[in-house]
Amino acid sequence: NAGVTQTPKFRILKIGQSMTLQCAQDMNHNYMYWYRQDPGMGLKLIYYSVGAGITDKGEVPNGYNVSRSTTEDFPLRLELAAPSQTSVYFCASSYGFEAYEQYFGPGTRLTVT
Amino acid sequence: AQKITQTQPGMFVQEKEAVTLDCTYDTSDPSYGLFWYKQPSSGEMIFLIYQGSYDQQNATEGRYSLNFQKARKSANLVISASQLGDSAMYFCAMRPPAGYALNFGKGTSLLVTP
Repeated sequence: NAGVTQTPKFRILKIGQSMTLQCAQDMNHNYMYWYRQDPGMGLKLIYYSVGAGITDKGEVPNGYNVSRSTTEDFPLRLELAAPSQTSVYFCASSYGFEAYEQYFGPGTRLTVT
Repeated sequence: AQKITQTQPGMFVQEKEAVTLDCTYDTSDPSYGLFWYKQPSSGEMIFLIYQGSYDQQNATEGRYSLNFQKARKSANLVISASQLGDSAMYFCAMRPPAGYALNFGKGTSLLVTP
């Protein structure tokens, strides 16, 4: 099992550019999440999904979009990148949501200049 | 909205000693879950321990235990017999009832010295 994988590991974007952060899991988890972690802070939820075709906004969704066409994949789209989106992005998945831990990917470090 | 507070930005502990990392939370809901994650310098998030709000016993996982005091709304992580590899950021997080994602605190940086 690869667990949760994310690509790319690092990326530098110019202001106004767009990109997609890829996330995949091979644990057949229904629940998937995108978080961002700003320096010296905890993680904040951007979007989450409870199954293929179902997504919902988290705490900080502005400037992002997601889709969930398969159980395995949960890409995060950044449109018109802004310096405020400079952060480390984590994708996570879980089997359930109550007592179940979330498994995290290794993160993508994004810099917008 | 649920809030997680970790008041210790940084902690030091000597190898082989025990250390307690503080976490308080604010919620009016009776049902919730509390988690602790470790983030080493390499950046990945590693699950350590879980405590449900209705669990009667404090959770334990190896050298990790959670000191859960529901009335005080605290969920402190206790690491026994600290090792050099325990040096990392530690995050407390809460899952609200009927909620799917976790609310994280700002974290505590732990440094274990020889």
